[in-house]
Order: sequence, then C-alpha cells, then structure tokens
Amino acid sequence: AQSVTQLDSQVPVFEEAPVELRCNYSSSVSVYLFWYVQYPNQGLQLLLKYLSGSTLVKGINGFEAEFNKSQTSFHLRKPSVHISDTAEYFCAVSEGSQGNLIFGKGTKLSVKP
Amino acid sequence: DTGVSQDPRHKITKRGQNVTFRCDPISEHNRLYWYRQTLGQGPEFLTYFQNEAQLEKSRLLSDRFSAERPKGSFSTLEIQRTEQGDSAMYLCASSLESVRAFFGQGTRLTVV
Repeated sequence: AQSVTQLDSQVPVFEEAPVELRCNYSSSVSVYLFWYVQYPNQGLQLLLKYLSGSTLVKGINGFEAEFNKSQTSFHLRKPSVHISDTAEYFCAVSEGSQGNLIFGKGTKLSVKP
Repeated sequence: DTGVSQDPRHKITKRGQNVTFRCDPISEHNRLYWYRQTLGQGPEFLTYFQNEAQLEKSRLLSDRFSAERPKGSFSTLEIQRTEQGDSAMYLCASSLESVRAFFGQGTRLTVV
C-alpha cells in the first residue's frame, strides 16, 4: 500500500528565509506526486504536481519541488518566504487509475516577521 | 468555472441524528471524490464516483456512511446515527479525467 510521510509537523521560519518541507513516499509502482496548501478555514489548493519528465517542478507562489526516485522523496522548497505563506502544506500521492489521493499528515508552516 | 461548492459549510448535530452534505462539482467534471479530514491529519479518502457510478466505496468508514451521485452531477454524503467520532471536516473534490483534483472548502461537522 502506498503511504506518505511528512517528517515535520511544524516548521517555524522568519520572513525572507528559505524553507524546505520534507515528504517521503512509499510505493512499488510509478506515482504521481502533489503538494497542496490549506489556509485556515479553506479547502485545499494545488501548489504543484509531478507526473513525469523533469524532476524539478515549479508551482505557484514561488514554490518548487524535486522528485527523487532513489530516495523516494518529493521535498517542497521556497527560497524566500512571506508572511502570507503561513498555512498547512500537504504532500500527496495518487493511488492508481482512480485518481484518489493518499495524503501525509501535513506540515504547518509559520512565517514570523 | 465557479469551483467546487459544498453545503453546508458548518453543521452541528446531536449524537444519533442523521446528516447529509451536498457537493456540487465543477461543471462537466466526471470524477467526484469525498474525503474526511480530522484534526491534525491529512485528508482520508472515502469514496469515488465516475459520472453516476460509485466505483470505490470500500473506504467508507462504516455502513452508517453512504454517498450518491444520482445524475452524475451533484453528490450527497449521508451519515446515519452520528457519533462524536464523526466530527471532522468533510471535503469534496472533482476532476476531469485527469490527475488534477479541485477541492471544495469543506463541510465541518460537529457532533455533540
């Protein structure tokens, strides 16, 4: 069975600092990988996805992620965060042809001035 | 594109009552998913429709949970005889034969 592990439940950073949110997955087959962001009292918004091709994926709001098959990782990065990036971030893997997602437990990013 | 709409946004119910939530997907999206999200956890997949056919329902949490999508458009999720453990955010998502799912804002259920 597929699973997703987000290694950090909370990440506090100062504004304009770089950030990396870590994600590891387990799967015996090819996977599609996603990062979603959830602002308070909001639904999930897609940040970026990896389907195939280039392992470096660029998303919205200046975020990017790198797919590493050998390490089964899909870490999310941003070189300089803003206060408005404060939110919870979820890594997910697509389960088979149905397209339903298996999510990690989330990482709460807190950006301090 | 008006997005995925869920109604109600919040629901407070007494234990033992039945509740029903509605999801209106993005028009012409043929796939519709329901998820449950509890505090401190990521969303957990419950069930999936392709058009009006419910193709996966084994992940529904118990036989108190049921979902329908009668005309392949909107969907309802019903929980019978609610329990306090059912308190959670219920999320709906839709997609068009693709791997990008669009999520609604969710229905927050509180069972008292």
